[in-house]
Amino acid sequence: KAGVTQTPRYLIKTRGQQVTLSCSPISGHRSVSWYQQTPGQGLQFLFEYFSETQRNKGNFPGRFSGRQFSNSRSEMNVSTLELGDSALYLCASRRAGSGEQYFGPGTRLTVT
Amino acid sequence: GIQVEQSPPDLILQEGANSTLRCNFSDSVNNLQWFHQNPWGQLINLFYIPSGTKQNGRLSATTVATERYSLLYISSSQTTDSGVYFCAVEEAGTALIFGKGTTLSVSS
Repeated sequence: KAGVTQTPRYLIKTRGQQVTLSCSPISGHRSVSWYQQTPGQGLQFLFEYFSETQRNKGNFPGRFSGRQFSNSRSEMNVSTLELGDSALYLCASRRAGSGEQYFGPGTRLTVT
Repeated sequence: GIQVEQSPPDLILQEGANSTLRCNFSDSVNNLQWFHQNPWGQLINLFYIPSGTKQNGRLSATTVATERYSLLYISSSQTTDSGVYFCAVEEAGTALIFGKGTTLSVSS
């Protein structure tokens, strides 16, 4: 079974631009979560989607948003990029009713 | 919110040595996972272990939920074991809360 996939793997953007990252969960997994990893703050939870509904949200500004499609694929969007948004963005999926999360390879975003 | 502390922050070993990584958490948790982050950033699942003991080859883990800690044992370490090991716990709800990790360096 294929793992979690994320596209693109690397991205360079300019301050003020916006960006959209994509995540395809493991087949059959309906929950998708997003995390941000930075050297200073470590791994932090952004939000989780289940059956196209945001189920939980971390402490991030409104510039960070997401959505989930009927096929469980998810996108996250960051508007008005700031230098501090440079990070590794990780997506995770899990089956309904299961606690175990599986992570994708991540998207490394650099904001210049 | 729940706090997750990992120790030691850094660990340097010779190939073949054994090691124990510790994860303390401040409140009751529903789930606990151990991950190894590879050099490209991906988090590789090692154990899903909210309680009890599990083994997978040279790695094993024990979680004592009532005492709020988990241990990851690595035996006969190899250079490929190098990297960052994360413990993550989940409160009632759906978000994983990560510790700051233990950076393991294994030299030949």
